[in-house]
Amino acid sequence: GQQLNQSPQSMFIQEGEDVSMNCTSSSIFNTWLWYKQDPGEGPVLLIALYKAGELTSNGRLTAQFGITRKDSFLNISASIPSDVGIYFCAGSRGAAGNKLTFGGGTRVLVKP
Amino acid sequence: GAGVSQSPSNKVTEKGKDVELRCDPISGHTALYWYRQSLGQGLEFLIYFQGNSAPDKSGLPSDRFSAERTGGSVSTLTIQRTQQEDSAVYLCASSVTTGEYNSPLHFGNGTRLTVT
Repeated sequence: GQQLNQSPQSMFIQEGEDVSMNCTSSSIFNTWLWYKQDPGEGPVLLIALYKAGELTSNGRLTAQFGITRKDSFLNISASIPSDVGIYFCAGSRGAAGNKLTFGGGTRVLVKP
Repeated sequence: GAGVSQSPSNKVTEKGKDVELRCDPISGHTALYWYRQSLGQGLEFLIYFQGNSAPDKSGLPSDRFSAERTGGSVSTLTIQRTQQEDSAVYLCASSVTTGEYNSPLHFGNGTRLTVT
């Protein structure tokens, strides 16, 4: 079963807002990754984190590898409509390409 | 193409039939993974190949599930005597291995399997 607890499970965004999601684990991971999945497609890598405490940005995305190696967060700044999708955190006990354990996902939707 | 290719994209089968799902990894990627994603859920690891061998099969849910990889490239996931609970999206991913390091996984678009 899943070992990563991801929250929130879903959220509504308004264009221009900053949003944040996080992932926690009861055990240590050596690599954290964040993926985005659009309907009918496979997950696409957004950010990979390799070192505890590391803060990495990719455009409007910022992610941090928690210092305890048991958590990570992802921030999206100034959200736009194409940010809609499902975001997954994933952890590896080895390198980034080793077997990944995935969180349950955060579904990002646009406020009506 | 440049990405991971999976076929078929959709498969509907009757309970009790066998199915084969195919994955073409990115050229040169020696590591290949199969994951399963049930509706609205995260991804569940099934099996990992390094070259043609499978050092980790721990995620295969039952002996009805098997996978092979030939020529260090194409992989097939076979599900025998399918059950309704096998309905899910089956995702394949590949990565580059350099020494002991594997690059992050690149995923295909998956095969959506529906067992009726």
